[in-house]
Amino acid sequence: EPEVTQTPSHQVTQMGQEVILRCVPISNHLYFYWYRQILGQKVEFLVSFYNNEISEKSEIFDDQFSVERPDGSNFTLKIRSTKLEDSAMYFCASNSGSYNEQFFGPGTRLTVL
Amino acid sequence: AQTVTQSQPEMSVQEAETVTLSCTYDTSENNYYLFWYKQPPSRQMILVIRQEAYKQQNATENRFSVNFQKAAKSFSLKISDSQLGDTAMYFCAFQPFTGNQFYFGTGTSLTVIP
Repeated sequence: EPEVTQTPSHQVTQMGQEVILRCVPISNHLYFYWYRQILGQKVEFLVSFYNNEISEKSEIFDDQFSVERPDGSNFTLKIRSTKLEDSAMYFCASNSGSYNEQFFGPGTRLTVL
Repeated sequence: AQTVTQSQPEMSVQEAETVTLSCTYDTSENNYYLFWYKQPPSRQMILVIRQEAYKQQNATENRFSVNFQKAAKSFSLKISDSQLGDTAMYFCAFQPFTGNQFYFGTGTSLTVIP
């Protein structure tokens, strides 16, 4: 069964460094999402992406964040200058229609030191 | 603004018994979707069950069923005949018709005891 995959599973970085989190959505899906979950807190929406542009974003998704679909398979989240409070689990998701079930990846645990 | 509340951080149930996980939400929307997702240890979230707000009939998927009370803004999940593989974190989620983002609760950690 097709799955959303994410790499790496765990990323450790120094404060102020740039990180890129990678996701491979399910191949025939058209909508892509990033969520994050700070330890002990709820899963929070960051951004949705459709037709090569951001369709919706939360207030968390400020100028430090960007998303890209550089080729036909990858969907990336870039954090330009990481802060301690960016430490969280980041989940990618995709679906075939905006009101369909979202399929989630296993997550990338980002630790900012 | 939409909020989702899961008031039970942890629950446990004996194998083969029935357990109910609670979820309430707050919204001014009239049309929306509600979901329960399951996240087993070290695994990704998978959809358990989904309910459209315009449908009065409660959704059912095998051993999983919901009690959807629209007026009360309540969406509980009942797991019948609990199995060891049901041990997981369960998240309730809300999606308005007017957007495609999900709003999640904080989750309930369910342990099925043999």
